[in-house]
Amino acid sequence: GAVVSQHPSWVICKSGTSVKIECRSLDFQATTMFWYRQFPKQSLMLMATSNEGSKATYEQGVEKDKFLINHASLTLSTLTVTSAHPEDSSFYICSARDGTSGRSYTGELFFGEGSRLTVL
Amino acid sequence: DAKTTQPNSMESNEEEPVHLPCNHSTISGTDYIHWYRQLPSQGPEYVIHGLTSNVNNRMASLAIAEDRKSSTLILHRATLRDAAVYYCMSYSGAGSYQLTFGKGTKLSVIP
Repeated sequence: GAVVSQHPSWVICKSGTSVKIECRSLDFQATTMFWYRQFPKQSLMLMATSNEGSKATYEQGVEKDKFLINHASLTLSTLTVTSAHPEDSSFYICSARDGTSGRSYTGELFFGEGSRLTVL
Repeated sequence: DAKTTQPNSMESNEEEPVHLPCNHSTISGTDYIHWYRQLPSQGPEYVIHGLTSNVNNRMASLAIAEDRKSSTLILHRATLRDAAVYYCMSYSGAGSYQLTFGKGTKLSVIP
């Protein structure tokens, strides 16, 4: 089955530093990847949609200069939280759409394991 | 994508069947119904999806009402590992392929 891997699973950083989270599709080509954020006891909130080779589309209220998304290849997307602050502490989850198989039409998405960011 | 409504929480005894309902009264004729679940501290996991006909896979069954305004996810024998938040979503099949997560149903399984 399709596998999406995120790294790191856990990261603790100091306020003001930047953190990069990687999202890889291991056995398929991910033409589209999505980044979500989830606060404790809440649902997932979509942050941005990225298509390989083009700029990400950010949801309303998400600062594109703070949450830098790069989707330079069909198997890798990165989310960089720049100048992180304690309020950025959250569970970040990526998902990917398989753009090369019949799954893409029905909308099935494959999710990473999530990355928990704690900013001190 | 149509708005979906699910109960906030449900309980089930282990080894018993569980029926998780979802209302999607504004769903369009071409929207797929998707179910995902999220175990604690993990990313969501695909469970099942369907359009009109009932669907079965190794994880669950999906029963879709004839008018498509509601659906039910059926776990035939709940195990402790099935304790999770279950999300029902509709997907339009066009454009950005986004899935919008609601609050879902938190399923507790009692040993």
